[in-house]
Amino acid sequence: AQTVTQSQPEMSVQEAETVTLSCTYDTSENNYYLFWYKQPPSRQMILVIRQEAYKQQNATENRFSVNFQKAAKSFSLKISDSQLGDTAMYFCAFRYGNKLVFGAGTILRVKS
Amino acid sequence: NAGVTQTPKFQVLKTGQSMTLQCAQDMNHEYMSWYRQDPGMGLRLIHYSVGAGITDQGEVPNGYNVSRSTTEDFPLRLLSAAPSQTSVYFCASSLAGTHNEQFFGPGTRLTVL
Repeated sequence: AQTVTQSQPEMSVQEAETVTLSCTYDTSENNYYLFWYKQPPSRQMILVIRQEAYKQQNATENRFSVNFQKAAKSFSLKISDSQLGDTAMYFCAFRYGNKLVFGAGTILRVKS
Repeated sequence: NAGVTQTPKFQVLKTGQSMTLQCAQDMNHEYMSWYRQDPGMGLRLIHYSVGAGITDQGEVPNGYNVSRSTTEDFPLRLLSAAPSQTSVYFCASSLAGTHNEQFFGPGTRLTVL
């Protein structure tokens, strides 16, 4: 079975600081993609960043970057220069074939 | 483009009632799917479709039916609602291919009494 584990139910960070959200996954698949989605209080699911499993280079999107460790099956999200608008639930997800598997989510609160 | 639309936004049902959650997309995406979101469990895949006339089960399909008669629409049917189906339901769509981003609708909050 494919599983995604987010071990931090809640986190908080001061505005302008850096925070890292953890994610581990378990799979026997070779061809897969990893995603981080953001869900603000509006409930809308928004793609933050994606990583191709066969690429060793870590993906980066502006203030968001990942640390992808394929052997350890780890996919953490780093948010730099945190902003109040980053307050949201963050989901790590793993896609193989036609299926997308989500972790339980981490609530991130950015404090002013 | 409207993207992925879902109706209704909110719904309250009594146990045993039936209803259909509507989902439509105008991006000509081959792939569509339904998820439910429950506290502490993330989103779980209910059913998905890779094209018109083709559907398959996800992780939690029991109690739900789907059909895909057109590329644009992918309704989710609850034949006999149960309190365990109280949840937030999301529809999503994407182009075919594992690497493609799934676009999500705004969700439907369903309460079964």
